[in-house]
Amino acid sequence: QKEVEQDPGPLSVPEGAIVSLNCTYSNSAFQYFMWYRQYSRKGPELLMYTYSSGNKEDGRFTAQVDKSSKYISLFIRDSQPSDSATYLCAMSAKSGANNLFFGTGTRLTVIP
Amino acid sequence: IAGITQAPTSQILAAGRRMTLRCTQDMRHNAMYWYRQDLGLGLRLIHYSNTAGTTGKGEVPDGYSVSRANTDDFPLTLASAVPSQTSVYFCASSDYAGGGGELFFGEGSRLTVL
Repeated sequence: QKEVEQDPGPLSVPEGAIVSLNCTYSNSAFQYFMWYRQYSRKGPELLMYTYSSGNKEDGRFTAQVDKSSKYISLFIRDSQPSDSATYLCAMSAKSGANNLFFGTGTRLTVIP
Repeated sequence: IAGITQAPTSQILAAGRRMTLRCTQDMRHNAMYWYRQDLGLGLRLIHYSNTAGTTGKGEVPDGYSVSRANTDDFPLTLASAVPSQTSVYFCASSDYAGGGGELFFGEGSRLTVL
């Protein structure tokens, strides 16, 4: 079983839709949770970071962590064509990126 | 612009050849990393360095070596390339101040081994 599972998609939505992206994990020790956004032929960039459980909001983006279900989500409100990218979840039990586990990424297309 | 610079951006290489992917950062981050990204497998850590002068093995280190002579540079060497090393390689850095590993990535090096 992989440490982190993520539906690869692809996911296509109309502009303005609410998007829900999800990851599940198996290691109950994970406590650092991140979402990275990767545009085509570019490197990933950090989008959201959450420590332990709860919600975090940043503009149109909301990250949720449910440690009891081992499930994390990223919501995008009022999606825009510029949100079209691959979204990678990442998580770790310890600080330091050498302990980071990535999901395989979900490819999102927002159609104008 | 501050960040990570990788070279080359793209390379086609014959099997058995030696290849070094270069990575330089100007953010004075302590930690640096090399990942490979393959369809369906996501990002996998090859090697890392928590500070200049030290290196460690990641999930898929076989066939690769790294060195960290100074803070800014972290080259990745394929001693004798094989077709299974065809991939997109990303160099990344973090300030390793704790907090779960927030990474800054380069633009990637696309390597094809024939």
